[in-house]
Amino acid sequence: SQKIEQNSEALNIQEGKTATLTCNYTNYSPAYLQWYRQDPGRGPVFLLLIRENEKEKRKERLKVTFDTTLKQSLFHITASQPADSATYLCALPDYGNNRLAFGKGNQVVVIP
Amino acid sequence: EAGVAQSPRYKIIEKRQSVAFWCNPISGHATLYWYQQILGQGPKLLIQFQNNGVVDDSQLPKDRFSAERLKGVDSTLKIQPAKLEDSAVYLCASSLGGGDTQYFGPGTRLTVL
Repeated sequence: SQKIEQNSEALNIQEGKTATLTCNYTNYSPAYLQWYRQDPGRGPVFLLLIRENEKEKRKERLKVTFDTTLKQSLFHITASQPADSATYLCALPDYGNNRLAFGKGNQVVVIP
Repeated sequence: EAGVAQSPRYKIIEKRQSVAFWCNPISGHATLYWYQQILGQGPKLLIQFQNNGVVDDSQLPKDRFSAERLKGVDSTLKIQPAKLEDSAVYLCASSLGGGDTQYFGPGTRLTVL
């Protein structure tokens, strides 16, 4: 099955700076990759989907890139705000089925 | 539009007891998912329904877990008997169809003592 790696260490970042998170995967390259946001005590919330033929996707202050050669996706939050503090999960379909496999998530803390 | 509803929000039981969780998906969503999220991990799919049929239950521990989707709408997930390692948040999600954007409920936090 697909192995997904996200940095287990929390990312502490000053307000206004750009936060960058990494999602690496092994084995086969998926047709798409998704990013979710999860706040404490809540379920994940879908943010962005990027397909294998797309290099970059943007939504407001969020930007996602997808490099199928490196088997990596980068997630950027520009002009970060304290309200962006949360855990961000990447997810992609597992091999041979549509089952969504999630990474462990990467916590972001934006310091005012 | 109302989101995915789950109840209870919290449950504490002793090992070997049974417990049931309820989920009401977004109206019109044909696909319903149950996930288990252990602390510090990402959600792991337990079972996926399309209407009232099971699409994927390959990761469901069927010796103790069971799930049903009543009339293709609400769903219940049951654990009997519970083990200490079942302590986790159980998330329900729904989507229009398989492969579409999933919308998650708030989850039920289960503690097994």
